[in-house]
Amino acid sequence: KQEVTQIPAALSVPEGENLVLNCSFTDSAIYNLQWFRQDPGKGLTSLLLIQSSQREQTSGRLNASLDKSSGRSTLYIAASQPGDSATYLCAVLGGSEKLVFGKGTKLTVNP
Amino acid sequence: ETGVTQSPTHLIKTRGQQVTLRCSSQSGHNTVSWYQQALGQGPQFIFQYYREEENGRGNFPPRFSGLQFPNYSSELNVNALELDDSALYLCASSSDRGEWYEQYFGPGTRLTVT
Repeated sequence: KQEVTQIPAALSVPEGENLVLNCSFTDSAIYNLQWFRQDPGKGLTSLLLIQSSQREQTSGRLNASLDKSSGRSTLYIAASQPGDSATYLCAVLGGSEKLVFGKGTKLTVNP
Repeated sequence: ETGVTQSPTHLIKTRGQQVTLRCSSQSGHNTVSWYQQALGQGPQFIFQYYREEENGRGNFPPRFSGLQFPNYSSELNVNALELDDSALYLCASSSDRGEWYEQYFGPGTRLTVT
């Protein structure tokens, strides 16, 4: 059974800091890994998708890496801004074609 | 291109009642997945519909049921509501074409059971 763990559960940083969010998964047989952003009470916004054959993806100030063999992914956020404050969720897609999510990391960027 | 939409936005029901939530998939997508997200938790997979047939189910009781229509929109029905059913219900659509299998989420329906 696939399990996804996100560390830390919460993170508070000053504006401008670079930060890393971590995600680990137990079964390396995945199609892809997605990082999502969720604002309070809202739906999910897809940030980055990394296919199982890829090592990383970049979008603006965001960079996500994937090490499938070790079951790890990181989301790097450069020059954080207060508008980045949200919960970040990591999810993996396996052979059952269902996404398995972690519990998320709640990020607060202080002005 | 129209994104994934869900209705209603919010819903308050009483324990024991029944509820129907609706989802319209993104244009060109033939697969809809439903997830339940309790407060402070990650979304949990309920079930998936592909071309009007159930294509996988998570660890949810039979009182959670669904439908997919010929236009690929979908409904989630929950019978005999319990207090623990209070959650954000998310629908995601995807396509079996291409290799990305990326799922696109709607804004969710917030269900409160009292």
